Amino acid sequence: DAMVIQNPRYQVTQFGKPVTLSCSQTLNHNVMYWYQQKSSQAPKLLFHYYDKDFNNEADTPDNFQSRRPNTSFCFLDIRSPGLGDAAMYLCATSRDHLGHGYVVETQYFGPGTRLLVL
Amino acid sequence: ELKVEQNPLFLSMQEGKNYTIYCNYSTTSDRLYWYRQDPGKSLESLFVLLSNGAVKQEGRLMASLDTKARLSTLHITAAVHDLSATYFCAVESRNYGGSQGNLIFGKGTKLSVKP
Repeated sequence: DAMVIQNPRYQVTQFGKPVTLSCSQTLNHNVMYWYQQKSSQAPKLLFHYYDKDFNNEADTPDNFQSRRPNTSFCFLDIRSPGLGDAAMYLCATSRDHLGHGYVVETQYFGPGTRLLVL
Repeated sequence: ELKVEQNPLFLSMQEGKNYTIYCNYSTTSDRLYWYRQDPGKSLESLFVLLSNGAVKQEGRLMASLDTKARLSTLHITAAVHDLSATYFCAVESRNYGGSQGNLIFGKGTKLSVKP
């Protein structure tokens, strides 16, 4: 089945120790997103890739970086995790099939990676 | 700046009852999404509403969109325990020169259906 896969599902890291979360998709969607969701809050968009074009949200800390080596994979790098970065990180994908720059289909979310910072 | 407000944020209801969750948004958009999230889990897409007057139904849930009022509703009919979850509405914002929208989420409505 086509899907969005995130690894690992749970990640424990130490304060300041870099961590990488991965997302892969078999949907062949051209848009991939990373969200941060803290407990009892709405998901907050960190950045997204439209094909190879990287789009960073204005309030995303520099501590968060992303890479998309190919259509199927996208990585979230947290360079120096702080206690406040403990959250669920959700990857999502969508397809702009009209080619007009409009995302007309819903976003499909992966299962998430829960990050704990000690 | 696009703002999305849901109410209520918490909803406790009895099985068999009907209720409506409201989603208001502050600027023009013609794309609205409803998602469900179970505790500790990811988001599951429920509905995509793409035009004024759009109505979609799936089981006991029905969603509608009024773009003129900037309002979407999620109506629950004869609630059952399995519907207990957090429901988010999300509106697509238009950034980056009018193309490529991003989703702005409401704070979510935590629904608890009791026997």
